[in-house]
Amino acid sequence: DQQVKQNSPSLSVQEGRISILNCDYTNSMFDYFLWYKKYPAEGPTFLISISSIKDKNEDGRFTVFLNKSAKHLSLHIVPSQPGDSAVYFCAASGVRPGNQFYFGTGTSLTVIP
Amino acid sequence: ETGVTQTPRHLVMGMTNKKSLKCEQHLGHNAMYWYKQSAKKPLELMFVYNFKEQTENNSVPSRFSPECPNSSHLFLHLHTLQPEDSALYLCASSPSDSPGNEKLFFGSGTQLSVL
Repeated sequence: DQQVKQNSPSLSVQEGRISILNCDYTNSMFDYFLWYKKYPAEGPTFLISISSIKDKNEDGRFTVFLNKSAKHLSLHIVPSQPGDSAVYFCAASGVRPGNQFYFGTGTSLTVIP
Repeated sequence: ETGVTQTPRHLVMGMTNKKSLKCEQHLGHNAMYWYKQSAKKPLELMFVYNFKEQTENNSVPSRFSPECPNSSHLFLHLHTLQPEDSALYLCASSPSDSPGNEKLFFGSGTQLSVL
């Protein structure tokens, strides 16, 4: 059973506009959430994270919002740039023992110049 | 030099072949991981090693055999694979295997095709 879901396989956004990528999770024990970015032929790279004690974390153009009651998080990219075109993975952790990271299936973002 | 290096980048093998994937991390981390990424599926954790000891085996078939000789190197030995094992195999490392607020650092992966 998939514990982290990204229901939008792809998203296209105009350059300069906001990109919003969504992620839902089912396990209320998750307490740490991350977003990874992946270019073709490269491994995923860490983008931004948020702890369950917060509802927002910002890093430059990237902001992650966490809604614990809805078990939902989102990544906002403002303004979107063509170099942001990549696959974005949401991940969650916090279930003990083992403390694995659970990943979503990814959302492919295309930023149109 | 990148933090986590994987070789080879691409591998094509027959079902009766034996091959190995190699991973090396230069970050001084204590935990190393193998993940499998199949098309349209989430990244699946296969194995975790912490301080060279295997701490997680996620019900992976025995045709996949991991080896961790030290905290910097991780191998995945492959034998008698099936076509459905074709996927991107990613190695990752983290400071420890109880990440909490830590994060995984990934290599570029090995794209495996089993014929």
